[in-house]
Amino acid sequence: AQSVTQPDIHITVSEGASLELRCNYSYGATPYLFWYVQSPGQGLQLLLKYFSGDTLVQGIKGFEAEFKRSQSSFNLRKPSVHWSDAAEYFCAVGADGQNFVFGPGTRLSVLP
Amino acid sequence: EAQVTQNPRYLITVTGKKLTVTCSQNMNHEYMSWYRQDPGLGLRQIYYSMNVEVTDKGDVPEGYKVSRKEKRNFPLILESPSPNQTSLYFCASSFIWTGVFTEAFFGQGTRLTVV
Repeated sequence: AQSVTQPDIHITVSEGASLELRCNYSYGATPYLFWYVQSPGQGLQLLLKYFSGDTLVQGIKGFEAEFKRSQSSFNLRKPSVHWSDAAEYFCAVGADGQNFVFGPGTRLSVLP
Repeated sequence: EAQVTQNPRYLITVTGKKLTVTCSQNMNHEYMSWYRQDPGLGLRQIYYSMNVEVTDKGDVPEGYKVSRKEKRNFPLILESPSPNQTSLYFCASSFIWTGVFTEAFFGQGTRLTVV
């Protein structure tokens, strides 16, 4: 069965520190991979996506993610976190003709 | 402008009174889906649709119905709402076929309260 795990329910980092949010998937087909962000009281915004090619993808707001097929992972990174990055982050997986599957989300808190 | 539109944005209703939340997309997407979001539980899929007249259950379909009579619309129907259906609901759509696959586009959400 298709599944997406985000092992960290809640992460707290200090402003200016680096960030890595983990995402692992189990998917029978070649996946397309996404990260979404949801700020408090807002809808979901796409941060970045991986379809093919370079396994390191750049997104908006200074985020990047690396696809590692051997580890079935698509971890999200940011070198220096800003207070405005406090939000909930969702990893998602899709494939041709397949249902989208979302992970349970990771809530990020940022300390001043 | 490409968008997914949900209506209403906010709704307070009473237990047992049938309601419909509408979702419409203007991007000619085949795929549409409904989610509910509750604190600490992430996004849980209710129903999804791969194309017109093709719908399937997600993780939490009990108490909900959907229909997909037209490509652009995917309404969510609560025949007899109960307080445990109080939640934030999101509709999403996408292309999901080879050559045109895109990310899921989300509506702005509908906050439903059942008293």
